[in-house]
Amino acid sequence: GQQVMQIPQYQHVQEGEDFTTYCNSSTTLSNIQWYKQRPGGHPVFLIQLVKSGEVKKQKRLTFQFGEAKKNSSLHITATQTTDVGTYFCAGPWNNQGGKLIFGQGTELSVKP
Amino acid sequence: NAGVTQTPKFQVLKTGQSMTLQCAQDMNHNSMYWYRQDPGMGLRLIYYSASEGTTDKGEVPNGYNVSRLNKREFSLRLESAAPSQTSVYFCATGAGELFFGEGSRLTVL
Repeated sequence: GQQVMQIPQYQHVQEGEDFTTYCNSSTTLSNIQWYKQRPGGHPVFLIQLVKSGEVKKQKRLTFQFGEAKKNSSLHITATQTTDVGTYFCAGPWNNQGGKLIFGQGTELSVKP
Repeated sequence: NAGVTQTPKFQVLKTGQSMTLQCAQDMNHNSMYWYRQDPGMGLRLIYYSASEGTTDKGEVPNGYNVSRLNKREFSLRLESAAPSQTSVYFCATGAGELFFGEGSRLTVL
């Protein structure tokens, strides 16, 4: 069945270093979403990408959707301790509208 | 305006016991979701409800039942709890982006 795979599972960086997490789907996605979950918290929506090749920026965060709409990435420039948490990508399951499935997440830790 | 409210926040069960997790939203969305989160597994969809009166299985529905009581409420029932159901459960709602509750931490001994 359809899977959404995310790598790496963990990433430890020094504050100020960059960070990237990658998301790959076994099937073409109509859209992809990204969420952030702080330790002990609940997932919070960051962004949705819809168009092939789309790039969106939110301050130090850059989101990309691949040309084939089967992969996506989140890049954080110059990480800060406030970036700590787990980042998830999510896409429609078998492109069935509302059913959203998540990747395994990338847990980011930032050393001051 | 609470958003998505889940109860209880914590629960310990013995194997074979039953319980219901409650979820209510005041955001007026049609869609509601139940996910479970386990270390290294991300969030896995248990059940989904597109609207009042409709429910649909997700990735891991076995051992669970759901009830969409009305537009606001979506409950998740464990009829006979098993240790493999020890997890953090999240309810969510939304049209497009999802809004999550604070989570319910369930331990089955």
